[in-house]
Amino acid sequence: GNSVTQMEGPVTLSEEAFLTINCTYTATGYPSLFWYVQYPGEGLQLLLKATKADDKGSNKGFEATYRKETTSFHLEKGSVQVSDSAVYFCALRSNQAGTALIFGKGTTLSVSS
Amino acid sequence: EAQVTQNPRYLITVTGKKLTVTCSQNMNHEYMSWYRQDPGLGLRQIYYSMNVEVTDKGDVPEGYKVSRKEKRNFPLILESPSPNQTSLYFCASNGPYNEQFFGPGTRLTVL
Repeated sequence: GNSVTQMEGPVTLSEEAFLTINCTYTATGYPSLFWYVQYPGEGLQLLLKATKADDKGSNKGFEATYRKETTSFHLEKGSVQVSDSAVYFCALRSNQAGTALIFGKGTTLSVSS
Repeated sequence: EAQVTQNPRYLITVTGKKLTVTCSQNMNHEYMSWYRQDPGLGLRQIYYSMNVEVTDKGDVPEGYKVSRKEKRNFPLILESPSPNQTSLYFCASNGPYNEQFFGPGTRLTVL
């Protein structure tokens, strides 16, 4: 079945450091891929998405490229801020109608000044 | 403002006392779903609904019921809550590109 694997956290960085959170997936066909962010005490917010191979999703300085050859969708940011501290979830949705989002287990990012 | 709302945000109850968590969206979305979030397990889908009067089980439906009588509302019902249903619950609805919009969450504690 479909699945998503994320690097385990927590990830601890200093402000302005480079961030990579790895995400790989297993799916049949051509799923859509997403990154969600959950700030402390809040619900999940869509951060970025990509719907086909080689698409790059970007938002708020974060980027991720849909790599079908490596079945990956790694999240990157060139210079993190303290306000980026949150839990990040990679997710996929099959292209079949009515299928659920499949989430990774989440990666906690902590950025210190 | 386009949003998904849930109520209550926090609830402490006792084993066996029926409860309902309401969910409403104002974006005219057809697809809605419920998730629970538990440490180390991420989010798992409980139930989903593809449209009014159409509901189906997700990955962890045991102990839960849902209904979809109107497009905007998708309540989650726990007929006889148990301590293993203590969790953080999220309602979500789907946008046109299959992205999901999440509610703020309901933290439920069953004693």
